[in-house]
Amino acid sequence: GEDVEQSLFLSVREGDSSVINCTYTDSSSTYLYWYKQEPGAGLQLLTYIFSNMDMKQDQRLTVLLNKKDKHLSLRIADTQTGDSAIYFCAVTNDYKLSFGAGTTVTVRA
Amino acid sequence: EAGVAQSPRYKIIEKRQSVAFWCNPISGHATLYWYQQILGQGPKLLIQFQNNGVVDDSQLPKDRFSAERLKGVDSTLKIQPAKLEDSAVYLCASSLGGTDTQYFGPGTRLTVL
Repeated sequence: GEDVEQSLFLSVREGDSSVINCTYTDSSSTYLYWYKQEPGAGLQLLTYIFSNMDMKQDQRLTVLLNKKDKHLSLRIADTQTGDSAIYFCAVTNDYKLSFGAGTTVTVRA
Repeated sequence: EAGVAQSPRYKIIEKRQSVAFWCNPISGHATLYWYQQILGQGPKLLIQFQNNGVVDDSQLPKDRFSAERLKGVDSTLKIQPAKLEDSAVYLCASSLGGTDTQYFGPGTRLTVL
């Protein structure tokens, strides 16, 4: 099956940029997603990128995709305290969605 | 547009008891998924429905877990009997079709004592 790897923790100062990284194994993945999970809540879709794109920007969020290295990243500009959460990278393989273990982002004042 | 609804939000049971979770997907979404999320891990797919038919239940422990989606709308997931290792958050998600973006409900947190 698909393996999706993420670093487990990220600590960032309020106002700085956050960069969350993800690597995956299946080069045929068509859609790649970023979900956000706040404590006690379900997964909220943040953004996604199609595999024929290199970059996608959506307000404070920038997604970069390097297909050659099978590397996906999410950059959050001007990180706020409300951005503290767990961020999951997920990639598609046929109809299946495979998730990483999540990166816990802590925003400090 | 209403999101995916799940109930109950929390459930505490003793091992060997049975429990059932309910999910109402986004209106018009033909595909419904149940995921298990163990603490510290990403969600793992248990079962996928397309309308009222099962597309994939390869990761569902069929000796104790069952799920149905009568009439192709709401779905229930049942565990009988529960084991300690079933403690997790059970997430329901839905999408327009099998390859479309999945939208998640708030989840049901199950604690088995």
